[in-house]
Amino acid sequence: GGIITQTPKFLIGQEGQKLTLKCQQNFNHDTMYWYRQDSGKGLRLIYYSITENDLQKGDLSEGYDASREKKSSFSLTVTSAQKNEMAVFLCASSRDRVNYAEQFFGPGTRLTVL
Amino acid sequence: GQQVQQSPASLVLQEGENAELQCNFSTSLNSMQWFYQRPEGSLVSLFYNPSGTKQSGRLTSTTVIKERRSSLHISSSQITDSGTYLCAMERIYQLIWGSGTKLIIKP
Repeated sequence: GGIITQTPKFLIGQEGQKLTLKCQQNFNHDTMYWYRQDSGKGLRLIYYSITENDLQKGDLSEGYDASREKKSSFSLTVTSAQKNEMAVFLCASSRDRVNYAEQFFGPGTRLTVL
Repeated sequence: GQQVQQSPASLVLQEGENAELQCNFSTSLNSMQWFYQRPEGSLVSLFYNPSGTKQSGRLTSTTVIKERRSSLHISSSQITDSGTYLCAMERIYQLIWGSGTKLIIKP
């Protein structure tokens, strides 16, 4: 077994501010993901990384940067927070096997922009 | 159009009733996953189900890849089953998500 931790749990920012979210996993998984979920909607992929120092853009990458400094960690930066933005950011990881890519999720970071 | 359609969008049942949730996919898929999202937002993987039927306790998932559909059956529902159920289909390195079914179980 393993666990994914996300910090912080709650993040409150100001309009225009640069905000960083962090994710750690101890599954020893190769692939990690960042998703955004707006209220009442499904998840949308922001970035993913198939190995250390790799970055791949998802459908929602504009306005975000990501960094995979080491295998166990994946951080996401909101480059300029938008006023009244509210969303949950979910980090996930999976094995690097195309035929078995079950994803496991962290508890999420709730973002509120004032 | 939306690649993953989930139905119903919401479902209200009395405790003890059975629930049937559906996912339909507009494109071919490698496999798919069912998740339960707790009211506070955390996601729990229920099934990773490339094909066929899998059961875990009161939950049964059936996926027919050729027909591009999957169902989640909850038998004898309990109040603690309340929450949002999400399905997602797998493309290489990506999950494409449905919008979820919000399930409310009343006493």
